[in-house]
Amino acid sequence: EVQLLESGGGLVQPGGSLTLSCAASGFTFSSYSMSWVRQAPGKGLEWVSGVSGGGGGTYYADSVKGRFTISRDNSKNTLYLQMNTLRADDTAVYYCAKGGRLIAAGKGFDIWGQGTMVTVS
Amino acid sequence: QSVLTQPPSASGTPGQRVTISCSGSSSNIRGNTVNWYQQVPGTAPKLLIYNNNQRPSGVPDRFSGSMSGTSASLAISGLQSEDEADYYCAAWDDGLNGQVFGTGTKVTVL
Repeated sequence: EVQLLESGGGLVQPGGSLTLSCAASGFTFSSYSMSWVRQAPGKGLEWVSGVSGGGGGTYYADSVKGRFTISRDNSKNTLYLQMNTLRADDTAVYYCAKGGRLIAAGKGFDIWGQGTMVTVS
Repeated sequence: QSVLTQPPSASGTPGQRVTISCSGSSSNIRGNTVNWYQQVPGTAPKLLIYNNNQRPSGVPDRFSGSMSGTSASLAISGLQSEDEADYYCAAWDDGLNGQVFGTGTKVTVL
């Protein structure tokens, strides 16, 4: 079964750091781009960051550029999001999502995790 | 803030057809493909339409996507109660070098 399982969310003070993980199973992890998408309470979806299948290409939303770092360990089938200098407006449910073989391709995010809540307060 | 604009709400009675618009620009919708997601509150989003008008396996053919210029549309025909959810369009933006989502549309089945 194709599955994504996020972990690492929690309560953190403003200015603090947190690292999210996303364990993938059921597909060839290294062949696909991966992204993090967040949703603040009562708000819409916001793409946060994406990484190519090999890990060499990383992309960020302006709102997190310079503060967040996306990475992946293909030997462990795991995606990460290192979040530094956290602010109250980073409070959200963070989803990891499987993309296409190319980060900008039109296949969409076909597999989503259940999400992990990050609260900055 | 979102660069893809959707109406905040849409509604219809069971069996009706509902259309949701998604307005963008030449850096996103015109130059790249559009995907649509359905999200039931409290759950993760689900891919509904990819590559402008393709349905993943398991998505009913009541859902269809189209695009014209810098706008895209999602149509739900034969509206059913289980279609009550939030719907988001998304596309890659060449200027931002990232994915952008629409503002979201809440569909209510009357």
